[in-house]
This record gives sequence, structure tokens and C-alpha cells, in this order.
Amino acid sequence: GAGVSQTPSNKVTEKGKYVELRCDPISGHTALYWYRQSLGQGPEFLIYFQGTGAADDSGLPNDRFFAVRPEGSVSTLKIQRTERGDSAVYLCASSLTGVPGQGPQYFGPGTRLTVL
Amino acid sequence: GDSVTQMEGPVTLSEEAFLTINCTYTATGYPSLFWYVQYPGEGLQLLLKATKADDKGSNKGFEATYRKETTSFHLEKGSVQVSDSAVYFCALSENYGQNFVFGPGTRLSVLP
Repeated sequence: GAGVSQTPSNKVTEKGKYVELRCDPISGHTALYWYRQSLGQGPEFLIYFQGTGAADDSGLPNDRFFAVRPEGSVSTLKIQRTERGDSAVYLCASSLTGVPGQGPQYFGPGTRLTVL
Repeated sequence: GDSVTQMEGPVTLSEEAFLTINCTYTATGYPSLFWYVQYPGEGLQLLLKATKADDKGSNKGFEATYRKETTSFHLEKGSVQVSDSAVYFCALSENYGQNFVFGPGTRLSVLP
């Protein structure tokens, strides 16, 4: 079966622009996670969805970042007024239920965002 | 807050050498511990996990034991292969699978 997919694989934008990053989780997975990975660092948690709702958005760095999952499947991470410091690889992961003990997260290949 | 520390890379070994990648953590509760691997051009994959003290996770010849007394989860493999070349991430989760905290990663290169 298909794994987690993310589009685009690469995105180059200019400072101040708006970008959207898309994640298609594994079919049937109710939990979806977004992470940001800067060069030479491990992934940093941003937000976690259980179904359509954001169960934990404590990792979003500021109000320029927003994510939605309107139908409980595909999710979009939205970044307004991009800054050079937003440049990173944005990773999406999904898991079957998100309930503790119910299994690991499966990661997508990531979207590399470069803000010039 | 919770954190994970890993030995700095890159680590370069010859094929069939013994591998150890150190990982230590700090956590407020009793986390589950994980090793993830990222092969070149691919996404992160779960390698192994342990959910409580003294548990040993194992997969593909890799092992790691959850040591609560030393707050460690060192990754070991007795004989590495070229195909093991990747970046390895140690991670913890206070509630098994939510809100992972990752270490910075250790790049392993295995030479034939």
C-alpha cells in the first residue's frame, strides 16, 4: 500500500510570500503529525491532528503557521509571510489511531522549503 | 522539558565492524524510546522501540536496551553492512507515539 506522501517535494519562495505544503497520510490513519527538520537537527514537533481537529498545536512557532485537516485525511500546512528562518524540511507522519500504545508513526519523505 | 542527546557524527566504520551509537535522554515522566533511521533519499522509518525499563528493542540486527538508571538507549549492531549507511535518530515520547522529541541524528557511513 501507499505510504505517506507529501507535495511538493521542493518549494522555493521569496521572503514575505505565502506557501502551502500538503500531506496525504496512509489511508485509514486517523492521527497526523507535522514536524520541521532544520539542517543537522532532528525533527521538531509542530502540530498533531486526531481526525479533523488539532489535538496539540503547541509546537507551532508563531501565528504565521497554521494547519488544517478538514476531512480528517489530507492536511495542509500553511505559512504566511515566510521568513528565511522558515527554511527547513517539513515532515508529515501518520499513525493508525494516535492512542498511546497503538503503534508508531510513519513518515513521509518531506517537503524542502527554501525561503530566499 | 524533555530532551534527547546523541553522540555526534559522522561515524565511519568498515563493513562487519561493531556499531554503538550512544543516546541519553531527560524526561519528566516515563517515556517510550525509539530509534528511527533515515536512508538517503527516503523518509524516516521506525527501526526499533522499547516502552518500559529493561525492555530490549531489536530489528534487522540492531538492538537497544531501555536503561532507566542511566537514562540511556544506546543503539548497537554486531556487524554493520554498507546498506546500514544512514542517519539514525533517537527519540522519546511521553505518551507512546504522540509528541516525539528527537535527537539531532547521527550519520553512519559504512565502507566496503
